[in-house]
Amino acid sequence: DQQVKQNSPSLSVQEGRISILNCDYTNSMFDYFLWYKKYPAEGPTFLISISSIKDKNEDGRFTVFLNKSAKHLSLHIVPSQPGDSAVYFCAAREYGNKLVFGAGTILRVKS
Amino acid sequence: EPEVTQTPSHQVTQMGQEVILRCVPISNHLYFYWYRQILGQKVEFLVSFYNNEISEKSEIFDDQFSVERPDGSNFTLKIRSTKLEDSAMYFCASSEEGYSTDTQYFGPGTRLTVL
Repeated sequence: DQQVKQNSPSLSVQEGRISILNCDYTNSMFDYFLWYKKYPAEGPTFLISISSIKDKNEDGRFTVFLNKSAKHLSLHIVPSQPGDSAVYFCAAREYGNKLVFGAGTILRVKS
Repeated sequence: EPEVTQTPSHQVTQMGQEVILRCVPISNHLYFYWYRQILGQKVEFLVSFYNNEISEKSEIFDDQFSVERPDGSNFTLKIRSTKLEDSAMYFCASSEEGYSTDTQYFGPGTRLTVL
């Protein structure tokens, strides 16, 4: 099932700089997108979401951008902090409750 | 802050045995979910549950799986006869409503190891 793809398995960023995590999807019926952060031995923690009728949503240091025509979304973290080091999952929802997850991107923020 | 809890954190079982994984969703939430993540693979949806019945399930959720809300607080996943390939992290989640813009909040997971 490749409906949601995170093509970068890992990303390394210097503290204070911007982290950009990318996600592509193939299903045009997805109408809601979410980003989750996951630390080892913990469950996914909700970060930020965006409806398909919007192209941007911002919450503090986190901004999600949605480009529907390209079927692409990205998560920007500015400024990046060492505590942001985790696995980031992009997830999408079609009509109904089921979330479809990407494979995740490991973010390492170096101090 | 309210959170989803799961027990046990790690369950080891022999192939063919039954296991029950337990979850306590956030108290005012009405929708409950189970997902799993096999090591090295994506998080996969198993089932959603609302008003004491399954609202949606994936092809993974076959007759070996069942879910139940035995009381007002617990939500359980039962695997009747475990197989080696059932080894995975199992995450419970809950959401306040079932709207498309509703956020699902996840528990810490139960690591199931089938020997």
